[in-house]
Amino acid sequence: EAQVTQNPRYLITVTGKKLTVTCSQNMNHEYMSWYRQDPGLGLRQIYYSMNVEVTDKGDVPEGYKVSRKEKRNFPLILESPSPNQTSLYFCASSSLLYDTEAFFGQGTRLTVV
Amino acid sequence: AQSVTQLGSHVSVSEGALVLLRCNYSSSVPPYLFWYVQYPNQGLQLLLKYTSAATLVKGINGFEAEFKKSETSFHLTKPSAHMSDAAEYFCAVSDSNYQLIWGAGTKLIIKP
Repeated sequence: EAQVTQNPRYLITVTGKKLTVTCSQNMNHEYMSWYRQDPGLGLRQIYYSMNVEVTDKGDVPEGYKVSRKEKRNFPLILESPSPNQTSLYFCASSSLLYDTEAFFGQGTRLTVV
Repeated sequence: AQSVTQLGSHVSVSEGALVLLRCNYSSSVPPYLFWYVQYPNQGLQLLLKYTSAATLVKGINGFEAEFKKSETSFHLTKPSAHMSDAAEYFCAVSDSNYQLIWGAGTKLIIKP
């Protein structure tokens, strides 16, 4: 089954404690991205990657890091989380075609206290 | 730069009534347009997409959307709302860098 898997689904952490949210896809997609979703603001892209070792900033990259060492994995790293990073995070993947469908993970609800 | 505007952050309709969710886009080239749906506590999934093959596009769960170039619109409709349609709906356009430009989303509320 084609899917994007994120872990964990829920996470409560304290300010400053480094964390990683994992994302894995099984569709051999070149393109992967991370979004955060906040009430009234819709989806905002954090980082994206067009292939292995190729990553670029989205609209709201501050405070986040990513890596793309393998095609299937695209982890999101918060080196020093702050309360304003409390949000719902989604990983997505797609092939590099203009009309292609993006596949989303189930989301990670992060709370930073 | 391309942009997507969804009119109404919340739309409320009665069960059985027509659903109309509005989406307007700005694009200097022929666009690829998408509607995604997000059910509570889930990720987004594709509802339908326009890729220039036909201006009226049919999607899952009885939804359809019509591409109107003259109005730069891609409104989503369903003839008869069902309680299970309660969700948030996002319109998006694909730009020349393979990026999806997203609307802010419209939450559809179904009244019994």
